[in-house]
Amino acid sequence: AQTVTQSQPEMSVQEAETVTLSCTYDTSESDYYLFWYKQPPSRQMILVIRQEAYKQQNATENRFSVNFQKAAKSFSLKISDSQLGDAAMYFCAYRSTSGSRLTFGEGTQLTVNP
Amino acid sequence: EAGVAQSPRYKIIEKRQSVAFWCNPISGHATLYWYQQILGQGPKLLIQFQNNGVVDDSQLPKDRFSAERLKGVDSTLKIQPAKLEDSAVYLCASSDQHTDTQYFGPGTRLTVL
Repeated sequence: AQTVTQSQPEMSVQEAETVTLSCTYDTSESDYYLFWYKQPPSRQMILVIRQEAYKQQNATENRFSVNFQKAAKSFSLKISDSQLGDAAMYFCAYRSTSGSRLTFGEGTQLTVNP
Repeated sequence: EAGVAQSPRYKIIEKRQSVAFWCNPISGHATLYWYQQILGQGPKLLIQFQNNGVVDDSQLPKDRFSAERLKGVDSTLKIQPAKLEDSAVYLCASSDQHTDTQYFGPGTRLTVL
């Protein structure tokens, strides 16, 4: 079974600075998908970024980018120019290509200080 | 485009009572998911529907949880009888067959006393 680990329960960053959230996963599959979701206090999970394992190029969405290291099974999220609205719980998630189930990590609570 | 709708947003019940949650997915989305998110943890899939058929219910406690998706649109998740450990946020998500990206609703926070 696949597992996802987020080793940082809490992180903080100053507004306008850059922060990196860590995620590692365990799988025996060669092809899969990885995601970062954001969950603000409203509880609604919002997709931040998605990465296909067969793509070597790291995904980027505006201020959000990932560092995908397939051999190391690492998938970190970098947030540049942090904004107050980025404060939320961030979840890393894994999905196999053979099914739709998302396996989530425990989450990292991000605080953005003004 | 309207998002995934869920109701109620909050529910408080006593143990051994019954409760039901409702979900309306994004129009046209064939796949619907129910996740349970216990405080301080990531969501865990309870059940997945493809249209009105069950694809994955391996982590659904079937002795007390049940779910249905009549006509392949709305879905209801029921707990009967509830236990203290069922206190959690219940998230509904849906996806379409093209992108397979899951879009989540606002969730229902259940408190069992």
